[in-house]
Amino acid sequence: GAVVSQHPSRVICKSGTSVKIECRSLDFQATTMFWYRQFPKQSLMLMATSNEGSKATYEQGVEKDKFLINHASLTLSTLTVTSAHPEDSSFYICSAPYGVGETQYFGPGTRLLVL
Amino acid sequence: SQQGEEDPQALSIQEGENATMNCSYKTSINNLQWYRQNSGRGLVHLILIRSNEREKHSGRLRVTLDTSKKSSSLLITASRAADTASYFCATVGRMEYGNKLVFGAGTILRVKS
Repeated sequence: GAVVSQHPSRVICKSGTSVKIECRSLDFQATTMFWYRQFPKQSLMLMATSNEGSKATYEQGVEKDKFLINHASLTLSTLTVTSAHPEDSSFYICSAPYGVGETQYFGPGTRLLVL
Repeated sequence: SQQGEEDPQALSIQEGENATMNCSYKTSINNLQWYRQNSGRGLVHLILIRSNEREKHSGRLRVTLDTSKKSSSLLITASRAADTASYFCATVGRMEYGNKLVFGAGTILRVKS
C-alpha cells in the first residue's frame, strides 16, 4: 500500500529553538496533506491542511506564525514549530489522501520534546 | 475540533472474545472511517463506510452506521492479543472540502492472552 514517511521520528530541543518536521509521500503524489497533533492518551487534533502550491489552511486556534507549513512539492510537506516551548511538546502526525482521497495514509509520527 | 465521543474509553477482554466499540458524531457526514493506532505509532486505516451504507465487513471487522442516531460501531470478532491498540473513528463531513478527517476520542483496547 501507499507509504507516508516522517522525519525525524523523535526530536529533543531547547526552548526557543525551531524544529522542522518533514512528511513525504513515498510512492504517490499528494496535493494535500494534513498535520495533526496528539497528546498522550488523547485523540488526534487537526492543525492544518497543507496545500501544494498555495497557503496552508489552519484550524481555529492554531497559530499560523507558530506552526509554519510549506508544501514544497507533490511529495513533501514540512511543519516548522518556531520558537518552541515546553507546551509544544507533543506527537505530530501527518497524513495524505490516496487515490480518490477517501482514505488517508498516515506517517509514523514525530515525537517532539521541548526542554 | 473533535467530532464526538467513543465508548468505551477503554476495553479489556480475553483473547477469543469479541470487542465492540461505539462512536457518535455531530454533523452530517459523507463517510465514516475507523483507524487503528498502536502505541506511539501512526494510524492505519481499517474500514470506510459511506453515509448510504448501513453495514460493512472486512475480515474479522464489522462496522455499522446509523445516520439517524449519528452513531457507528466497530466489532472485532475472535480478538487476538495483536489487536491490542487504540481505535478511532473519523468522519468526513458532507460539507467538507478535501476529505478532512475529524476524529473521535478513541477506545483503548487491550486483549489479554
